[in-house]
Amino acid sequence: AQSVTQLGSHVSVSEGALVLLRCNYSSSVPPYLFWYVQYPNQGLQLLLKYTSAATLVKGINGFEAEFKKSETSFHLTKPSAHMSDAAEYFCAVRGLRTNAGKSTFGDGTTLTVKP
Amino acid sequence: DGGITQSPKYLFRKEGQNVTLSCEQNLNHDAMYWYRQDPGQGLRLIYYSQIVNDFQKGDIAEGYSVSREKKESFPLTVTSAQKNPTAFYLCASSPTGLVSGELFFGEGSRLTVL
Repeated sequence: AQSVTQLGSHVSVSEGALVLLRCNYSSSVPPYLFWYVQYPNQGLQLLLKYTSAATLVKGINGFEAEFKKSETSFHLTKPSAHMSDAAEYFCAVRGLRTNAGKSTFGDGTTLTVKP
Repeated sequence: DGGITQSPKYLFRKEGQNVTLSCEQNLNHDAMYWYRQDPGQGLRLIYYSQIVNDFQKGDIAEGYSVSREKKESFPLTVTSAQKNPTAFYLCASSPTGLVSGELFFGEGSRLTVL
């Protein structure tokens, strides 16, 4: 079975500050890991993904995430928050052998950016 | 532009009525999915389909039904048996055989039961 835990349902940062959104996963096989972003009343968009090619993954809008197998973590970071980063962020896991695409999502973290 | 189109974006329903949410994709993806989103609960899988004329139940299939008669279409019916249907519904697709396995989402349909 696979699962994802996002620590902190709400994170608030000041504009220009570091953004850190935490994600820990559980998977019986080496996983694919994803971060998605959702703006109000919209669908999810892919920010970045880990597919075992490199442990440090760079995504869109200046976000990056590091896969740490020993800690079963895939935390999302951005050096300097912008007002436009305010949204809900979801971490998701998908097992290599489950090509049916049954991605498992965390409960989400709402990021607020203060001016 | 390739993508996933969901309609309607907003829908109101009286208790006891069935409603059907449309999902169409022109990405030529084999796999399609329906998720339900409630505040603070992330996304939960309702049904998924890997190929035409085949689909499987997800984690919360009770009170829902789907069909997959065409590759590009995967409509979801919310039946009167669904006890708490008010939610935001998301349709997604992905190409089977793609190593990365990311999902492509539509804009969602918000269903409110009056």
